[in-house]
Amino acid sequence: NAGVTQTPKFRILKIGQSMTLQCAQDMNHNYMYWYRQDPGMGLKLIYYSVGAGITDKGEVPNGYNVSRSTTEDFPLRLELAAPSQTSVYFCASSLAGADNEQFFGPGTRLTVL
Amino acid sequence: QQQVKQSPQSLIVQKGGISIINCAYENTAFDYFPWYQQFPGKGPALLIAIRPDVSEKKEGRFTISFNKSAKQFSLHIMDSQPGDSATYFCAASGGSGGGADGLTFGKGTHLIIQP
Repeated sequence: NAGVTQTPKFRILKIGQSMTLQCAQDMNHNYMYWYRQDPGMGLKLIYYSVGAGITDKGEVPNGYNVSRSTTEDFPLRLELAAPSQTSVYFCASSLAGADNEQFFGPGTRLTVL
Repeated sequence: QQQVKQSPQSLIVQKGGISIINCAYENTAFDYFPWYQQFPGKGPALLIAIRPDVSEKKEGRFTISFNKSAKQFSLHIMDSQPGDSATYFCAASGGSGGGADGLTFGKGTHLIIQP
């Protein structure tokens, strides 16, 4: 099993550009999450999904959108990129809710200039 | 409002010593308290977790101590080794989302074990 995979590993965007961060898992997990990690700030939840077709906002959703058309995939869309979105983005999945082990992907490092 | 406060921000321990990282939480609805370990360039990985029905959980050299009345929990790493050098995050879940809405993380502790 590949676990949780994320693409791309690195990306530089210009202000106002858009992009999609890809996340896939092959563990048949229902729950998937997107976090952002800023230096010295821990991880903050952006969006989460409890199953295909169901998504909800986390702590810091502004400027992002998600979709969940399949159990395996949970892409994160950035519209009109801003410097404040410079961060490392982690996707995670768990079999049940957050009170179960979450498996994290390797992350995408995004810089907005 | 930071719901999980973690200290210290950084910690240097000699090889063989005990590393101690502390966390405090505010939301009494939290009912799951994991610790995650992160190496540079990698995603976090679950190290050990505890639920509030026990006061201590031990897995190898790693122990969580939990004090429900004080709303505090801590990670102890016994016989610390250079390979333990990493960033450690405490976290909590439960709250109003019942656990479905992800983890609330502390800000992390950068641990260095000196040989």
